This record gives sequence, C-alpha cells and structure tokens, in this order.
Amino acid sequence: ETGVTQTPRHLVMGMTNKKSLKCEQHLGHNAMYWYKQSAKKPLELMFVYNFKEQTENNSVPSRFSPECPNSSHLFLHLHTLQPEDSALYLCASSSRGSGRGNEQFFGPGTRLTVL
Amino acid sequence: AQSVTQPDIHITVSEGASLELRCNYSYGATPYLFWYVQSPGQGLQLLLKYFSGDTLVQGIKGFEAEFKRSQSSFNLRKPSVHWSDAAEYFCAVGILTGGGNKLTFGTGTQLKVEL
Repeated sequence: ETGVTQTPRHLVMGMTNKKSLKCEQHLGHNAMYWYKQSAKKPLELMFVYNFKEQTENNSVPSRFSPECPNSSHLFLHLHTLQPEDSALYLCASSSRGSGRGNEQFFGPGTRLTVL
Repeated sequence: AQSVTQPDIHITVSEGASLELRCNYSYGATPYLFWYVQSPGQGLQLLLKYFSGDTLVQGIKGFEAEFKRSQSSFNLRKPSVHWSDAAEYFCAVGILTGGGNKLTFGTGTQLKVEL
C-alpha cells in the first residue's frame, strides 16, 4: 500500500449503530487529519493529531470520537449519528516539521450514509 | 480568520480551450496557497502550491497559477484543457497553528469539459 488509505470506502448505518472509520498513512508523516465533505459546502476540518496527540477539535459533536494509536493510524468512531452526518469523510496526513507550506496528502475517503 | 472564495461553482469549457479558475483569499499575513483536484470517488490531489518567490507557479498536468497580492488572488490556469481534466477543483490557504498545518478550503469549482 502507498499513500493514504481509508476503509471502508462506503458505509451505510442506522442512527443507533456504532461503526469506525480507519485511516492509514504509509508516508512517514507525523500529523493526521479528519475532514468532512458535504455537498455544496467547503471541506470542514474536524480533528488534527500531531505525534498521536489531538491538537485541534473543530467543535465536532461528541458522537464523533477520534483515536490515534500511533502516527500511522487514525480512527473515527461513530455512534448515534444523525442523517445530516451523511457525507464523505476524508483523512489526510502531512509532515509537520517545516512550516505551514507542508502539503497534506489525502485518502480516497469513506462515503457515509446514515439512515 | 482566513477564508477562500471560489466564485464559480460550475464552469464548462470545450476540449482544447484555455481555462482559468478563480480564487480569492482573505488572510492577514503572507499566505501559503494551494490548488487541489478531486475526481469522482477520489480524494484530493495536489496540483500546485505557492509559498514565496516567483509568483507564477507550475504544477502537475500542465496547470499553473499566479499569485497576485494586490488582488488577493491565486487563479489556476491551463492553456489547453483535456477531457480528463473534468473534475472538481479546490483552492486552499494554509496557516500554521499550534495544531499543525491547517488548511481552509473554498467551496470548489466543478469543471465540465465538452468534447
């Protein structure tokens, strides 16, 4: 595997279900991100992790729970979601070392549908 | 706070024609600017980025962009569009926070290419 991978690619869940999204980066990066992409809205940054520590939570509801066990893996645990949470969830990674010009590399995303 | 505006939601061009996608940003310091492209069902791929120096930057797939500080713009151009360029294009401004490299995205421009 190369780059940033995400599983599953598609997920349909009911509002009472619990599921998890997985992201893995094979680039040796030390920062990882979760974004939400909804139709006709800009990408919304949800969470940022640096060296496994959460450094940003962009006022995300508690029904979304991130986990970063190491610098290569990032999870997004989902529970009691709402239909408006249906969106494409994108994971990204970057090297934090040399400033704000660092490129973020994106995974293909997980298309989530909440029924 | 920083913001990015992409005034054109949809653009249609004929194959072989030239292309310009507009991007305006608002940011109090010297911006770091990016253009990403997203094909259907895919994540975002970086086309090019501006950090400093030459205001005309070259990217992949024959794209270029010009940073104009006086107009707060970073428009993306391509002299001759190919059918495979049909995709959604996102402009972003990057800042470095305590949480790492943070990107703010525009709402995107959907490009359609007519054969």
